[in-house]
Amino acid sequence: GENVEQHPSTLSVQEGDSAVIKCTYSDSASNYFPWYKQELGKRPQLIIDIRSNVGEKKDQRIAVTLNKTAKHFSLHITETQPEDSAVYFCAAKNDYKLSFGAGTTVTVRA
Amino acid sequence: DGGITQSPKYLFRKEGQNVTLSCEQNLNHDAMYWYRQDPGQGLRLIYYSQIVNDFQKGDIAEGYSVSREKKESFPLTVTSAQKNPTAFYLCASSLALSSYNSPLHFGNGTRLTVT
Repeated sequence: GENVEQHPSTLSVQEGDSAVIKCTYSDSASNYFPWYKQELGKRPQLIIDIRSNVGEKKDQRIAVTLNKTAKHFSLHITETQPEDSAVYFCAAKNDYKLSFGAGTTVTVRA
Repeated sequence: DGGITQSPKYLFRKEGQNVTLSCEQNLNHDAMYWYRQDPGQGLRLIYYSQIVNDFQKGDIAEGYSVSREKKESFPLTVTSAQKNPTAFYLCASSLALSSYNSPLHFGNGTRLTVT
């Protein structure tokens, strides 16, 4: 089955700096890669996703890149703000199943 | 206002008792899922259902059971056979099981504590 690894597990950044979270996946058949943000005590919410036929996607301050050959994808958050503090999960989908990474706890220091 | 409702938010049970977690959605989604979330382990799939009266085991189904008698409802029973039931349980739904344009929508979760 699919195995998704996510790094780092924790990330502390100064407000205004960039944050990068990296994920690798094992199954080359995976073709959809969403990112979820979970604030403390709340439900995970989709923030951005990318399909396997696209190399990069951007939405305001967040962007995701995908390297199918290397089987890794990354989340980039620019100009971080305190409200970006949360746990971020990457995931990879193969057919029906969505496999999640272990999560990255991002803390934005004011 | 469409969404997924999980109840209760907090649940406490004694060891050896079965407990059922409720999940209801009014998004008209065909697919529904149950995930378990433990610190440092991300979300792990317990069961999923593509349509009414059909469900499949996920990665960690042992000690759990589900039913899908109605499209809107996908209750999860944590049985006494589950060795480490204390966790945060998330229900989710999507328009279809394998559609790209069908992201998961999550409920607010139920935190189960078994002592």
